[in-house]
Amino acid sequence: GEDVEQSLFLSVREGDSSVINCTYTDSSSTYLYWYKQEPGAGLQLLTYIFSNMDMKQDQRLTVLLNKKDKHLSLRIADTQTGDSAIYFCAESSGGYNKLIFGAGTRLAVHP
Amino acid sequence: GAVVSQHPSWVICKSGTSVKIECRSLDFQATTMFWYRQFPKQSLMLMATSNEGSKATYEQGVEKDKFLINHASLTLSTLTVTSAHPEDSSFYICSAQTGVRGNEQFFGPGTRLTVL
Repeated sequence: GEDVEQSLFLSVREGDSSVINCTYTDSSSTYLYWYKQEPGAGLQLLTYIFSNMDMKQDQRLTVLLNKKDKHLSLRIADTQTGDSAIYFCAESSGGYNKLIFGAGTRLAVHP
Repeated sequence: GAVVSQHPSWVICKSGTSVKIECRSLDFQATTMFWYRQFPKQSLMLMATSNEGSKATYEQGVEKDKFLINHASLTLSTLTVTSAHPEDSSFYICSAQTGVRGNEQFFGPGTRLTVL
């Protein structure tokens, strides 16, 4: 079945860049997403990328997709303490709304 | 905009009792709502998909008689955990989809269920 994997924890210094990685197995994935979850809050969609794209940039966020290796990454430039949260990678296949999530990467930003 | 609430945010109940969790879309009409379950340090697992006015579609391995889902209006879906047992203790999260703003799902803050 479909599977999405991420490392569980990442620690970075404030001002540095953060890179969160994700791998998936479903070759028919059409959309790939990055969600952010802060304590006590619902998952917030940060960005998404279509499978026919290699890169998408949105302000401090850069998403890279290597479809051949089924590898997705999220780069956060100039990481701030407010970026501390759990980041979930998710994928879905076209024509259906089912999202398959990774376990989430906890990003800790320290001074 | 696109706010989804859940009630209660946490609940503790005795084994054998039933618990109802509400999911509301506050500022939009949700044609489809989803229910997820999340165990500590694990990913969200989709339990079921519900469309307003019709029966929910359950994922493989999810007992529909155990987890009753009702989506009676375009702004409210409920999940009832019947005869709860300690193994049902988990974090339950709902999401809602407008059907208008693409396929984006808007998530509620989750409900922590602890069964003693």
